[in-house]
Amino acid sequence: EPEVTQTPSHQVTQMGQEVILRCVPISNHLYFYWYRQILGQKVEFLVSFYNNEISEKSEIFDDQFSVERPDGSNFTLKIRSTKLEDSAMYFCASSVLNQPQHFGDGTRLSIL
Amino acid sequence: GNSVTQMEGPVTLSEEAFLTINCTYTATGYPSLFWYVQYPGEGLQLLLKATKADDKGSNKGFEATYRKETTSFHLEKGSVQVSDSAVYFCALYSGNTPLVFGKGTRLSVIA
Repeated sequence: EPEVTQTPSHQVTQMGQEVILRCVPISNHLYFYWYRQILGQKVEFLVSFYNNEISEKSEIFDDQFSVERPDGSNFTLKIRSTKLEDSAMYFCASSVLNQPQHFGDGTRLSIL
Repeated sequence: GNSVTQMEGPVTLSEEAFLTINCTYTATGYPSLFWYVQYPGEGLQLLLKATKADDKGSNKGFEATYRKETTSFHLEKGSVQVSDSAVYFCALYSGNTPLVFGKGTRLSVIA
């Protein structure tokens, strides 16, 4: 069964540094999402992306965050200047119209 | 806006016990309802879904019925196993809106 793949599985970064999290969605999917899960808390929506533009974003997704689909397969989340509170598990998901979202295994981001 | 409320965990059960994890929701329109499971150290996996009232989703012995009259989607399993130990998330969306998750319920099954 096709999968959403995320790399790296664990990223350790110094506070203030930029970080890019990478995702390869399922190949025929058109809708892409990023969510995050701070340790022990609920999964929170960050941003959705369709037709090469952001379709919706949450309050969490401020100017420090950006997303990009640089080619036909990758979908990236960039955090420009990381803060301690950005430490979380970040999940990428993809879907087709009106079908459930499929999630990757996540990237654990640790900010020191 | 849309929201999901799950029972607080953790839930600890003996092997072969009956499991219920309650989930209720608030939504505009006609949402689709989901249960996702997160095993230790892993990502979120879709467990089951229901897209309209009275639909029953089922997978791996788990079941949940979409009850519009009570706005509920409780997860049940007749006989849990140690391998079912995980965190279970109830979630919903309408159309292609983002998923809204409950806080998650941690299940521990002991032999």
